[in-house]
Amino acid sequence: DAGVTQSPTHLIKTRGQHVTLRCSPISGHKSVSWYQQVLGQGPQFIFQYYEKEERGRGNFPDRFSARQFPNYSSELNVNALLLGDSALYLCASSFSVGTGGTEAFFGQGTRLTVV
Amino acid sequence: AQTVTQSQPEMSVQEAETVTLSCTYDTSESDYYLFWYKQPPSRQMILVIRQEAYKQQNATENRFSVNFQKAAKSFSLKISDSQLGDAAMYFCAYRTSGGGADGLTFGKGTHLIIQP
Repeated sequence: DAGVTQSPTHLIKTRGQHVTLRCSPISGHKSVSWYQQVLGQGPQFIFQYYEKEERGRGNFPDRFSARQFPNYSSELNVNALLLGDSALYLCASSFSVGTGGTEAFFGQGTRLTVV
Repeated sequence: AQTVTQSQPEMSVQEAETVTLSCTYDTSESDYYLFWYKQPPSRQMILVIRQEAYKQQNATENRFSVNFQKAAKSFSLKISDSQLGDAAMYFCAYRTSGGGADGLTFGKGTHLIIQP
């Protein structure tokens, strides 16, 4: 079975532009979470979606938005890019939410560079 | 808000030896989960081991074990018989066990170097 897949793997954007990152969860998983990992830091929680509804949001500005589609894939959108948005963006999928111990499976991430 | 602290930016160990990575956390909750994730250069986070707070017995997965001290809010990872493939960034993470969103809160990580 395929794991969590993210696209693209790398991209370079200019300040002020918009970017869309995509994530396909493991088959059967209904929850997708997004994390931002700045170089030298641990991942920071951005969003969680379950059954196409937002279940949680981390401390990120409104420039960050996301959605989940009927096939449970997800998009993360970032508007008005800043240099500080340069990071590895990780997507994680899990079968359910709210049970705490459910394992989150991560993709290999999208490396975003803002110049 | 919960916080996770990893005080060792880098650790080095000889192959076949044992190494312990430290993690402390702060929370007001009584039930929660703790995790250790490994991130090799491929960037993909891989679950190493998990511990539920209400379980007193320390979790073990083959060469990996934890020392969970709930009162001290400490959650260290012990890697026995270190192998070259263990070289990676290791992240300690916290997750609430309550309903609602269950995003992980990560520490800053420890870079583990395995000396051959």
